[in-house]
Amino acid sequence: GEDVEQSLFLSVREGDSSVINCTYTDSSSTYLYWYKQEPGAGLQLLTYIFSNMDMKQDQRLTVLLNKKDKHLSLRIADTQTGDSAIYFCAERMDSSYKLIFGSGTRLLVRP
Amino acid sequence: DAGVTQSPTHLIKTRGQHVTLRCSPISGHKSVSWYQQVLGQGPQFIFQYYEKEERGRGNFPDRFSARQFPNYSSELNVNALLLGDSALYLCASRSRGRLAGVQETQYFGPGTRLLVL
Repeated sequence: GEDVEQSLFLSVREGDSSVINCTYTDSSSTYLYWYKQEPGAGLQLLTYIFSNMDMKQDQRLTVLLNKKDKHLSLRIADTQTGDSAIYFCAERMDSSYKLIFGSGTRLLVRP
Repeated sequence: DAGVTQSPTHLIKTRGQHVTLRCSPISGHKSVSWYQQVLGQGPQFIFQYYEKEERGRGNFPDRFSARQFPNYSSELNVNALLLGDSALYLCASRSRGRLAGVQETQYFGPGTRLLVL
């Protein structure tokens, strides 16, 4: 089945690291994505990882993929107040064009 | 380069009316997808078009339809609007048409916020 789950809320202090977690159910997923959505705005692609990778780093962002457990995480180093937003995990199966999104994790960065 | 553009930005309609939402993809992108995002939820896939042909459809009623034009822009039409159609409608364009073994990313527009009263 198609299902992506995320925790609803995360609060961190400015300068700390944030870790946002996601689990997915379809083992045939080929690409997994992280999108950021600020209030009243569309989705901004942050990063993605191909299913044959374990880790991908892009500046302050680190994505970890545990394919055995179907677990994906996004780590944001040195979290800033501008990182406050909703973060969506999404999967795409090899046989489909569509993205399956989680319900989003609201990240609040406290000064 | 301009990103994905959508119009209008906001729209208010009443139940039973019809609405048309428009999307222009990133230049050079031939694939457009539509998503519905109800408040507090993640986006749900509605349609995907590539080279003017429907390539995928989500679990939405026949009141929802779409088309893609020769310039790769797209329209989403919703007939007989219901209160539950109130949502942010997102358009995404994609750089490649083929799936297997090809790196691809989807870029989203700012969305059209539809309110049905």
